[in-house]
Amino acid sequence: QKEVEQNSGPLSVPEGAIASLNCTYSDRGSQSFFWYRQYSGKSPELIMSIYSNGDKEDGRFTAQLNKASQYVSLLIRDSQPSDSATYLCAVTHSGAGSYQLTFGKGTKLSVIP
Amino acid sequence: DAGITQSPRHKVTETGTPVTLRCHQTENHRYMYWYRQDPGHGLRLIHYSYGVKDTDKGEVSDGYSVSRSKTEDFLLTLESATSSQTSVYFCAISELGTGGSQPQHFGDGTRLSIL
Repeated sequence: QKEVEQNSGPLSVPEGAIASLNCTYSDRGSQSFFWYRQYSGKSPELIMSIYSNGDKEDGRFTAQLNKASQYVSLLIRDSQPSDSATYLCAVTHSGAGSYQLTFGKGTKLSVIP
Repeated sequence: DAGITQSPRHKVTETGTPVTLRCHQTENHRYMYWYRQDPGHGLRLIHYSYGVKDTDKGEVSDGYSVSRSKTEDFLLTLESATSSQTSVYFCAISELGTGGSQPQHFGDGTRLSIL
């Protein structure tokens, strides 16, 4: 059973602070990792992809990957109230089913003005 | 935005009735997926398709069937709906990218209530 674990939260941070979201996964052969943002009542929206160890930055978002520790994180700098949402970590399957994703249950982020 | 249209967007029906949800894409992507999302369970894969007439079961396939007769359409059918199938259903699409990367893009969802 491929598993992706996230703290459910809620994670509350003040406006302007750094929000740190974490995810661990069980499938050691996973190669691709994604972060989705989901506003209440809306569909998941892809915000970051990362495929190799290290950091990847896109605007206020930084994804970090450590395959040896089976750990992926998302940092949101200068958090804004509009960042308040549930963040889903998704990981590809290894092997023949590599186009499939396993999703974590999500971390709910609340940015306090 | 990825060209994915789900229909209907909302549906209320009774236990025991058949229900069909439609996912239509304009991206010509090979892979299509049906998920359900429930509180406490997150997104769970119901069925997926890796080409026309090529489908397979996901994690929670019991009580559901799918069909894909052309690239752009993926249908999800509940043959005899039960209250436990009340959920929000999402369709997603993806295509093989460089190095096998496969981000999925989601439709707006169908909110299904079974009374």
